[in-house]
Amino acid sequence: GAVVSQHPSWVICKSGTSVKIECRSLDFQATTMFWYRQFPKQSLMLMATSNEGSKATYEQGVEKDKFLINHASLTLSTLTVTSAHPEDSSFYICSLQGGRWETQYFGPGTRLLVL
Amino acid sequence: TQLLEQSPQFLSIQEGENLTVYCNSSSVFSSLQWYRQEPGEGPVLLVTVVTGGEVKKLKRLTFQFGDARKDSSLHITAAQPGDTGLYLCAGPEGTGGFKTIFGAGTRLFVKA
Repeated sequence: GAVVSQHPSWVICKSGTSVKIECRSLDFQATTMFWYRQFPKQSLMLMATSNEGSKATYEQGVEKDKFLINHASLTLSTLTVTSAHPEDSSFYICSLQGGRWETQYFGPGTRLLVL
Repeated sequence: TQLLEQSPQFLSIQEGENLTVYCNSSSVFSSLQWYRQEPGEGPVLLVTVVTGGEVKKLKRLTFQFGDARKDSSLHITAAQPGDTGLYLCAGPEGTGGFKTIFGAGTRLFVKA
């Protein structure tokens, strides 16, 4: 399967600042990557689909101006949480889809705490 | 709308017991995946099942795909504390779908 890394693993920031999370595909060229958000003890919630070289597709209810996604290359997608607030605190996970059966391969996640 | 319903939502058992987790849908899936997620980490793929009636084994874990490809089960034999985690079933949306549908997950806690 594909190997996906995320950086940073966790971040604490002050309310009002912006935070950038990187998602890298280490061994697979991904034209499409996905960003999920996960609240404690809940399943994954898809935020957006990141498309290399074009605009991301956001799920209903996700503010595109709040969560900026840039997929500049086949191995890197970034999620920037702009003007973060405490309610943005969550576990953010990226993934890419590959293989014959469109299996999702996940990164290790980034825990964001906004004070 | 395709949905995957997992049951039970939560399971707490003693080490050595057996358990089964179910993943059901009214829709046909071209494949289903099972993931395990530990706290603070991303989900890790356990298996992909693609053929109706297929059974796959991964050590003490047995995965089955329903004949009609609408449901799947995960059976763990002689559970160990290391099996503790959130188990998620997932499948591609639609026929060769682009997005992935996730079940709500089954949180398993195995007590020593």
